[in-house]
Amino acid sequence: GAVVSQHPSWVICKSGTSVKIECRSLDFQATTMFWYRQFPKQSLMLMATSNEGSKATYEQGVEKDKFLINHASLTLSTLTVTSAHPEDSSFYICSAPGASGSLRAQYFGPGTRLLVL
Amino acid sequence: GQQLNQSPQSMFIQEGEDVSMNCTSSSIFNTWLWYKQDPGEGPVLLIALYKAGELTSNGRLTAQFGITRKDSFLNISASIPSDVGIYFCAAYQGGSEKLVFGKGTKLTVNP
Repeated sequence: GAVVSQHPSWVICKSGTSVKIECRSLDFQATTMFWYRQFPKQSLMLMATSNEGSKATYEQGVEKDKFLINHASLTLSTLTVTSAHPEDSSFYICSAPGASGSLRAQYFGPGTRLLVL
Repeated sequence: GQQLNQSPQSMFIQEGEDVSMNCTSSSIFNTWLWYKQDPGEGPVLLIALYKAGELTSNGRLTAQFGITRKDSFLNISASIPSDVGIYFCAAYQGGSEKLVFGKGTKLTVNP
């Protein structure tokens, strides 16, 4: 199956700093990737759709200046949490759609745990 | 936003028992996906369903795409301790690439 990696797997940072999370599709190309946020004991919440070569599309209520997304190549999308604050602490997961012909599925990375002190 | 109604929210079973969980919606979906998420990990795709009425197995797991296209279920037979985790249903609607998720079913298996 399609493999998606994320780096780092966890990060601790001081309040006010910026943190960059990478999402890579390892064995397939992805013109679109998705970034999710997950709070404890809750389902995944879509933050934004990352589009290769164009601007990301953000879900309602997600600050685009806070969560910068760059999709510079067909295998890499990055999420930068700018001026992080403790309330940004969460589990961030990316995904990429893989398709076999017309059949669709979405493959998730292992997630990045962010703790802002 | 739109969500799938997933039940039960949690299950506590004995090893060897069978498990069943389901997702329903008032809307029609054209693809249903079932994922398992272990603590601190991303969701892993278990089964994908693409046709109404389709019944698909993956080892001890069996899932079905409801004939009305508004629901799906997942069965796990002869549960084992490593089945513990949170199971999510997800679905695509129309041509959208965005997934709609259920809230998850937390499964606990007692040895």
